[in-house]
Formats: sequence, structure tokens, C-alpha cells
Amino acid sequence: KQEVTQIPAALSVPEGENLVLNCSFTDSAIYNLQWFRQDPGKGLTSLLLIQSSQREQTSGRLNASLDKSSGRSTLYIAASQPGDSATYLCAARSSGGYNKLIFGAGTRLAVHP
Amino acid sequence: DGGITQSPKYLFRKEGQNVTLSCEQNLNHDAMYWYRQDPGQGLRLIYYSQIVNDFQKGDIAEGYSVSREKKESFPLTVTSAQKNPTAFYLCASSLDRADTQYFGPGTRLTVL
Repeated sequence: KQEVTQIPAALSVPEGENLVLNCSFTDSAIYNLQWFRQDPGKGLTSLLLIQSSQREQTSGRLNASLDKSSGRSTLYIAASQPGDSATYLCAARSSGGYNKLIFGAGTRLAVHP
Repeated sequence: DGGITQSPKYLFRKEGQNVTLSCEQNLNHDAMYWYRQDPGQGLRLIYYSQIVNDFQKGDIAEGYSVSREKKESFPLTVTSAQKNPTAFYLCASSLDRADTQYFGPGTRLTVL
């Protein structure tokens, strides 16, 4: 059974700092892995999706990597800004079957000026 | 303006009542999903539907029911059998079962 863990649960950094959010999964037979952003009381916004055949994806100041063999993914945020403050969730989609996403509990990020 | 809408944004329920949460999408997506989110936890799948008139139970379907009579709509009913329904409910859709899921803004349900 796939389990997804995110560490740390919460993170507070000063503006401008580069930071890394971690996601680990127990079953390496994944179809893809997705990173989402969630603002308080809102729905999820997809940030990056990495297919199982890919090593990383980049969008602006965000870079996500995937290492299936070790069961890990990282989300790197460069030059953090207060507007980056949100909860970041990763979700692994298993190979085969329907489009089932297994979510981690998220990392709550606060970027202070 | 394409997207997924959920209503209401906030819902209050008395114990013993059934309530229905609405989810509509105009993205022409075949697949739709319902998730539940509790504080400090990830999302958990309640029900999903890959096509009209078909739906399957997810990991926590007990106490919930759905219907998929139209491609655009996937309402979720929280029945009195659901013991702890207070949570944030999120609806999502995808073009097909292999595609990225897009999420609605959510409905916060509180049992009084």
C-alpha cells in the first residue's frame, strides 16, 4: 500500500532564502508524482507534474526532482517570497488502475519579510 | 471561463441530516473525484467516476453516496451514517484517468 510522507510539516524562512521541501513514498511503482499548492481554505493548484520516466521539472522559481529508486521527490523554491506562503502537497499516482492519487499531509510554509 | 465550481462554500448540518454537496465542471472532463481533507492530513479519496453513469468507491466511501447522471455534474451526499463528517471536501476532474487532476475551491462542512 502506497504511503506518502512530507517533511518538515511546517517551515518558516526569511524572504529571499532558497528552500527544499521533501516528499517520500513507499512504493516506487508510480506513474507520476505531482506537487500542489494550497492556500488557506482554498482548493489545490497544480504546480509541477513529473512523469515516472523524468528526473525533474521546472517552472519559474520552482524545480521538482524525482528519484524513484530511493522513493523521494523534492520541491526546490528559489529566492522565496512572502507570496509563496502556503501549504505544499505532494501526491503519487500509482501505476495501473484508475487515476488514484495518494497525498502526503503537506508542508506548511511561511515566508516572512 | 472554464473550471470547477463547488457549492456551497460553507455548509452546516445538524446530526441525523443528509446533505448534498455540489460539484460542476465545464472542462469537458470524463473523470471526476471527491476527496475529504482533515486538518493536518492529506486528501483521502471518497468516490470517483470515470464516465457518466458509472462510479466507484474510494478509500473512505462509508457514509457517502454519489451520482453521475451528467458529464458536468458529480454531487456528493453526506448521509447520517457518516460518523464524523466535519471536514473540507474537494472535488476534482481530469480529462481521462491518466491526466492531471484539477481541483475546485472546496466546501467546508460542519456538523452542529
